Amino acid sequence: DAGVIQSPRHEVTEMGQEVTLRCKPISGHDYLFWYRQTMMRGLELLIYFNNNVPIDDSGMPEDRFSAKMPNASFSTLKIQPSEPRDSAVYFCASSTGPGNTIYFGEGSWLTVV
Amino acid sequence: AQSVTQLDSQVPVFEEAPVELRCNYSSSVSVYLFWYVQYPNQGLQLLLKYLSGSTLVKGINGFEAEFNKSQTSFHLRKPSVHISDTAEYFCAVRSSGSARQLTFGSGTQLTVLP
Repeated sequence: DAGVIQSPRHEVTEMGQEVTLRCKPISGHDYLFWYRQTMMRGLELLIYFNNNVPIDDSGMPEDRFSAKMPNASFSTLKIQPSEPRDSAVYFCASSTGPGNTIYFGEGSWLTVV
Repeated sequence: AQSVTQLDSQVPVFEEAPVELRCNYSSSVSVYLFWYVQYPNQGLQLLLKYLSGSTLVKGINGFEAEFNKSQTSFHLRKPSVHISDTAEYFCAVRSSGSARQLTFGSGTQLTVLP
């Protein structure tokens, strides 16, 4: 299996621009997670989906952030408009049932200048 | 609610010495426990996990961890470290109930010195 695939791996954008991060989970996994990693706050869960349905988005920082999962093999995390404080590594992860391993992608490294 | 505390933010250790990275958790329900490793500029990789059964869990790269329910701990150990073990290590907890999210500790940077 190819694992969780994220794109882009690196993005540098100007403040105010829209940013879209993409994720393809492992085939057959019915849970998908978006995490953000920063030096100050560590790893934070932003949102997770089960069977393409958002279950808990309480970690989404504000309305500028939105996530969708139109089908079982694709999810997006969008930031509009982006701000410098959004600079972080964004990880997508997927898993099956409780207790099973959550597999992480390589991350999308976002810099907003 | 569940939470994870990693007591040491940085652990320097000499090559071939033993190491223990400490992790304590709190939860009102039964939990599954995990250790992940993150090498520089990479994603997270699972080292080992505890779901049930034997409290001593063996993982990849010679690491092991022991689940102690009375002390709510899940410390990670390795008897002899290598330079290549230098990385950040994250302890994580996942509720065995209806919630599915993984809660991470703040991480421990392990630096192996020659």
